[in-house]
Formats: sequence, structure tokens, C-alpha cells
Amino acid sequence: QVQLQESGPGLVKPSETLSLTCSVSGGSVSSGSYYWSWIRQPPGKGLEWIGCIYYTGSTNYNPSLKSRVTTSVDTPKNQFSLKLNSVTAADTAVYYCAADRRPSGIYFLGYWGQGLLVTVSS
Amino acid sequence: SALTQPASVSGSPGQSITISCTGTSNDVGGYNSVSWYQQNPGKAPKLMIYDVSVRPSGVSNRFSGSKSGSTASLTISGLQAEDEADYYCSSYTTSTTWVFGGGTKLTVL
Repeated sequence: QVQLQESGPGLVKPSETLSLTCSVSGGSVSSGSYYWSWIRQPPGKGLEWIGCIYYTGSTNYNPSLKSRVTTSVDTPKNQFSLKLNSVTAADTAVYYCAADRRPSGIYFLGYWGQGLLVTVSS
Repeated sequence: SALTQPASVSGSPGQSITISCTGTSNDVGGYNSVSWYQQNPGKAPKLMIYDVSVRPSGVSNRFSGSKSGSTASLTISGLQAEDEADYYCSSYTTSTTWVFGGGTKLTVL
């Protein structure tokens, strides 16, 4: 059973880059069995899918964020990461990492981290 | 763009409620990959339904899902106080992305 855990700074200054890491246990980021996603939820608002990455490095992003997002996989550390640049207060949110098993024909986000609140403020 | 859900629904204990989730032929209407999540305050979303109508192990059979065209629905029967939460639908899309609904706050009166 895959388990996910987000980590990173809880406070980022405006115009800087938000960097988060998701540690994977109970499975391998390089197994090819999962796509690894990032999702966020601003305080009091709904869920927004940010993007995903496959172990090959293939990525797909939400068009509304694509110009500012980069994701990567770190196989030795069994982690995947998110970078969001040029942040503003509107990027303040709880950030979740998640996974789906579409390589196996299973199309839902079945694994979630507990979430990490990131505040953008000077 | 986001799937469309009602902002709020309410019901009394024992009643049934239905939450709708409307998309397009590029998401809800194009795939049987609609899922529903329950979210309690301060918690991560919990999967309640996947593939339109399949309940994961451990989810009460009071929760059921269906779809007609580009609109999916979540029905909760025999409403209980513990069902009070936010509910989100999600769908896979033709762009190989995920999209969520805006969320529905369920109040048990």
C-alpha cells in the first residue's frame, strides 16, 4: 500500500519559488505502476489539480499553471517534487501529493498525502 | 475548467440526498472514470466512489454513484450526522489531466 508524505517550507515570499517534496513508501516512484500528482486547495476553497509526472519524466500540467510549474522524480530518494515559481498570495494553499494507477487501467486518485499548508507572505 | 457541483445540499437524518456533477464530453461524458471524495475539515480527501459507481472496500453501501451523459451523481441514503462533510467529484479528461468539481457542502439538519 503506497503511502505519501509532503515536506517543504510552510512560508514562501512573494515572487519566489515554492518547492515541495513528496516521499513515497510502500512502493517505488520508478516502478511504472503509478502516475504522481500534485493537487492544491486554497483556504476555504475547492481542490485544484496542478500536474503529474510518470517515472519516465513524462509530465502533464493544468493549463492555468503550466507556465510556472515543474515536476521531477528522484529515484534514489524515492521522491517526487513540485516547483512553482513567481508565487503570489493566490498560491497560498494546502498542497497534496497523490497517485493514480492508470498504467494498470485504474483511473482514480487513490493515494493521498496528508497535505501541507504553504503560505505566501512577506 | 472545473466540473459543476451545487455549493450546498442538506437533508435530515434518514433521508436521501443527491449531489450532481456536470462536465462535458471531454471529461465526465467521455470516460467512466468519475470518482467522488469526502473531505472533513483539516483532513485529506477520502475516496468514496470510483469508476462512476464502485465503492472501495470499507465505504458504506449507503453511498452510491451513477452517470447520465455528462452529469454524474452521488447519492447518500439513510443520511447520518457523520456524513456531514464536503464532497468533491473528479474526472479523468481527454487531455490526460484530472479535473475536480467545485465541491458541495453537505449539512445534516
